[in-house]
Amino acid sequence: GAVVSQHPSRVICKSGTSVKIECRSLDFQATTMFWYRQFPKQSLMLMATSNEGSKATYEQGVEKDKFLINHASLTLSTLTVTSAHPEDSSFYICSAEDRGLYGYTFGSGTRLTVV
Amino acid sequence: LAKTTQPISMDSYEGQEVNITCSHNNIATNDYITWYQQFPSQGPRFIIQGYKTKVTNEVASLFIPADRKSSTLSLPRVSLSDTAVYYCLVGDYGSGAGSYQLTFGKGTKLSVIP
Repeated sequence: GAVVSQHPSRVICKSGTSVKIECRSLDFQATTMFWYRQFPKQSLMLMATSNEGSKATYEQGVEKDKFLINHASLTLSTLTVTSAHPEDSSFYICSAEDRGLYGYTFGSGTRLTVV
Repeated sequence: LAKTTQPISMDSYEGQEVNITCSHNNIATNDYITWYQQFPSQGPRFIIQGYKTKVTNEVASLFIPADRKSSTLSLPRVSLSDTAVYYCLVGDYGSGAGSYQLTFGKGTKLSVIP
């Protein structure tokens, strides 16, 4: 089946620094990838839709300048949390559509802790 | 986007069959129904997808009545490792018409008891 690799799995950073999270589709090309955020004991919330070769589309309430998304190739999308603050601490998950049997495949997630 | 409603939580003993029902009253003609499983600190994992009637794979069955306003995920003989959150999603992504944003509801937290 389709595999989406997300890296790193967990990261701790200091307040005010930036963190980059990578999402790769390993065995298929993904024109579109999605980024979600999940707080403890809550459901996944869509942050943005990442389109290869064009600007990302952000959901209402998500700061574009804080959560920078780059989708430079058909197999890689990155999410950079800029000037991170403790309230940005969360579980970030990416997904990609493989147009195949399994539809949407999710990465394993990244646990971000800002101290 | 079709809204879904599921029970917040369910408990089951090991070895029992578990049925989780999802309501989606405003499902559209082109919408498919997909179920995902999520363990703590992991991304959701695809379980099963269907459009109508019954679908079965190696891990679950999905029952969809004729009006398609609800669906039931059936997990046969659950084990402790099936303890997870189960999400029911409805969307027009089975048609291949284009990328579709998956919208997650609150999901059902299944706890399997020894």
